[in-house]
Amino acid sequence: KNEVEQSPQNLTAQEGEFITINCSYSVGISALHWLQQHPGGGIVSLFMLSSGKKKHGRLIATINIQEKHSSLHITASHPRDSAVYICAVETSGSRLTFGEGTQLTVNP
Amino acid sequence: GAVVSQHPSWVICKSGTSVKIECRSLDFQATTMFWYRQFPKQSLMLMATSNEGSKATYEQGVEKDKFLINHASLTLSTLTVTSAHPEDSSFYICSAASGGSITTEAFFGQGTRLTVV
Repeated sequence: KNEVEQSPQNLTAQEGEFITINCSYSVGISALHWLQQHPGGGIVSLFMLSSGKKKHGRLIATINIQEKHSSLHITASHPRDSAVYICAVETSGSRLTFGEGTQLTVNP
Repeated sequence: GAVVSQHPSWVICKSGTSVKIECRSLDFQATTMFWYRQFPKQSLMLMATSNEGSKATYEQGVEKDKFLINHASLTLSTLTVTSAHPEDSSFYICSAASGGSITTEAFFGQGTRLTVV
């Protein structure tokens, strides 16, 4: 069993839909990161969370430390949101352990 | 946000040759840099942690003599894939942190797609 598990693995949505990607982890963490990887491979950091909730534009990230669970929400999805979304947990020594990613495709 | 520049973005090399990948932090001092490898449809895997001025710490199963890491300055770390083989073909990406930890967000380079023929 992976230390970080994401669901779903693949997600197809219509433009405008509300999207949720989930991440569960099984280890103690100091922080959780949500990353976006574009088809060319480049990775952009979306959020770093250690508690509660953060919002940036149409993106919202929440974390429940007790339940070891985090969610990434995208409101009013758009085709340009199509990418792989990766959950990563930061453990001791600033190591990042990554989930396998969620491939999101938003159709116009 | 901070910028991490990785070069080259892609490289094709012949088996047996060596390839050097550079990772630069452009607007902050990166005391720690991390090197990852990603095979198609798989998640990123940490290869090694590089601290400025000291030897890199390699993850289990990563050959330190094959993947040479140098972090000679606070803004530059290099990964050299020596005697490359086709199975080394992969996407290599670095990330940088200041102060020895990723305190606010993770800053990644653009990645290098290596193809060994």
